Amino acid sequence: GAVVSQHPSWVICKSGTSVKIECRSLDFQATTMFWYRQFPKQSLMLMATSNEGSKATYEQGVEKDKFLINHASLTLSTLTVTSAHPEDSSFYICSARDVRRARDTGELFFGEGSRLTVL
Amino acid sequence: GESVGLHLPTLSVQEGDNSIINCAYSNSASDYFIWYKQESGKGPQFIIDIRSNMDKRQGQRVTVLLNKTVKHLSLQIAATQPGDSAVYFCAENMNSGYSTLTFGKGTMLLVSP
Repeated sequence: GAVVSQHPSWVICKSGTSVKIECRSLDFQATTMFWYRQFPKQSLMLMATSNEGSKATYEQGVEKDKFLINHASLTLSTLTVTSAHPEDSSFYICSARDVRRARDTGELFFGEGSRLTVL
Repeated sequence: GESVGLHLPTLSVQEGDNSIINCAYSNSASDYFIWYKQESGKGPQFIIDIRSNMDKRQGQRVTVLLNKTVKHLSLQIAATQPGDSAVYFCAENMNSGYSTLTFGKGTMLLVSP
């Protein structure tokens, strides 16, 4: 099956620093990737939709200047948490849709997640 | 706000039992539904999906039932195994999957040996 890779899988940083998380589709192309945030024992909340070659679409309440998203190629999207604070500590998960299969299925493939801890 | 919800936050079963996880959705325009399994510290894993033109779909040891009349979705796991212990999320989508997914709150399934 399709594979989505996230890096790093976990990161600890100091308050005020910026952290970049990468999301790669390893064996397929993805014009659209999605970034989710998940707090402990809670569901996934969509943060933004990352579109290759254009600006990301952010969900209501998500600060676009805080969570910078770049989708530079069909296989890579990055999420940068700028000036991170302890409340940004969370599990960040990306997902992608295989454009070749888009006509047949709406299935999303998820990365393994990146756990961010801000001290 | 969320348009998909679950009735049971935690379900405990014995190994070998059948498990049923329920989900209610509120958006009648949703036409594509997916069940995901999420193990601790990992991303969601696709289990099975169903389109709104179907009432039932079976996979390996899993069955998804869709009742559009009452906007209810269920996941049945046959002969539950300890490896099935995880949080299960239902997710709904519109436009046959082309729109964004909305996830339900999740149900934790605990399987005792």
